[in-house]
Amino acid sequence: TQLLEQSPQFLSIQEGENLTVYCNSSSVFSSLQWYRQEPGEGPVLLVTVVTGGEVKKLKRLTFQFGDARKDSSLHITAAQPGDTGLYLCAGPKGSGGSNYKLTFGKGTLLTVNP
Amino acid sequence: DSGVTQTPKHLITATGQRVTLRCSPRSGDLSVYWYQQSLDQGLQFLIQYYNGEERAKGNILERFSAQQFPDLHSELNLSSLELGDSALYFCASSVVRGMPTNEKLFFGSGTQLSVL
Repeated sequence: TQLLEQSPQFLSIQEGENLTVYCNSSSVFSSLQWYRQEPGEGPVLLVTVVTGGEVKKLKRLTFQFGDARKDSSLHITAAQPGDTGLYLCAGPKGSGGSNYKLTFGKGTLLTVNP
Repeated sequence: DSGVTQTPKHLITATGQRVTLRCSPRSGDLSVYWYQQSLDQGLQFLIQYYNGEERAKGNILERFSAQQFPDLHSELNLSSLELGDSALYFCASSVVRGMPTNEKLFFGSGTQLSVL
């Protein structure tokens, strides 16, 4: 069972469209992070959300942390081909202090066609 | 460029063999993480080292081992390789400030391992 479930698994859209991808869990997280991974590269951190209900904006990307801190969403406005990539959510799970593991969802593979 | 260097970028080997993957963290980062990425399992945490000491362990097989050296570079050793070990192996580094919410991981470009 995946601790963090991401949906949809695949998404193919046209340039200029809006989209939302989701990251859900039955567990509470102290924070959630979103990464983007491009082909042949490692994931790159986009944002960390910490407070329940928090909304963060990064240009055309809007990230929201659920009130109960069990889920998060990423909304992209007017998608561009440069937004193409694998979007991963991640959250820390562990036994306290620094002894934790950053656990990743399987990701949403986004393709934006010109 | 994340500042994390992984070598080699590609590795092709045969079943039963042993390989070593190398990672140099960002300057100043004390913590190194190893992850395995495959299509069916996604990005799976293997192991973390902090300043030379093992800090956390994930789904790492007994055939796999890692270490972090005094100069903070790390190596992941994979032995008795099986076909199912074919995957992308990522190293990441961070400063580790002690609080998960402050943690920011910087990933290398990965090593693509193909076991034939």
